[in-house]
Amino acid sequence: RKEVEQDPGPFNVPEGATVAFNCTYSNSASQSFFWYRQDCRKEPKLLMSVYSSGNEDGRFTAQLNRASQYISLLIRDSKLSDSATYLCVVNRGSQGNLIFGKGTKLSVKP
Amino acid sequence: GAGVSQTPSNKVTEKGKYVELRCDPISGHTALYWYRQSLGQGPEFLIYFQGTGAADDSGLPNDRFFAVRPEGSVSTLKIQRTERGDSAVYLCASSRSGNEQFFGPGTRLTVL
Repeated sequence: RKEVEQDPGPFNVPEGATVAFNCTYSNSASQSFFWYRQDCRKEPKLLMSVYSSGNEDGRFTAQLNRASQYISLLIRDSKLSDSATYLCVVNRGSQGNLIFGKGTKLSVKP
Repeated sequence: GAGVSQTPSNKVTEKGKYVELRCDPISGHTALYWYRQSLGQGPEFLIYFQGTGAADDSGLPNDRFFAVRPEGSVSTLKIQRTERGDSAVYLCASSRSGNEQFFGPGTRLTVL
């Protein structure tokens, strides 16, 4: 079983839609959680960290459920510019390497 | 300020050849990471440096892969006797706090 699993999609949604991505992780010792965004043929960029209390940044909301080892990302009022691959990422330690999921591809259409 | 830079941006080589990939981290970042990304996959960890020393090299696939960071800044990933399966984008990232990692644009390696 992969350490971080997420639905690869693609998710094809119209502008203005709300879309949710889910991710599960297998290592209960994982300490830090992130969503990264990766545009086609570009490097991954941090979208947001994910905290146990849940956190929101504009149209983006991330949630973490440690008991179920589950992470989610909600995007409201989708824009064309949100089209990208969203990578669920786990860090086992404070300085260690990142474990990436395969990514979920989102395509927002006009 | 300047981000992470990687050279070359593209490298085409023949099976069996030796290649070196270079990473210039963000100035002042003590942690440096190498990842490899194949098509349709997320980045896969290779090796992590804290300063000059390799703190974790558990992701290196075999002994054909080696990386150095002699002065605690620039790092070079070295691949000997390249194989077609080594074809991927090699990503470098650096970090100050150990938390947020900033990625470079990657080197696209193609082994013919």
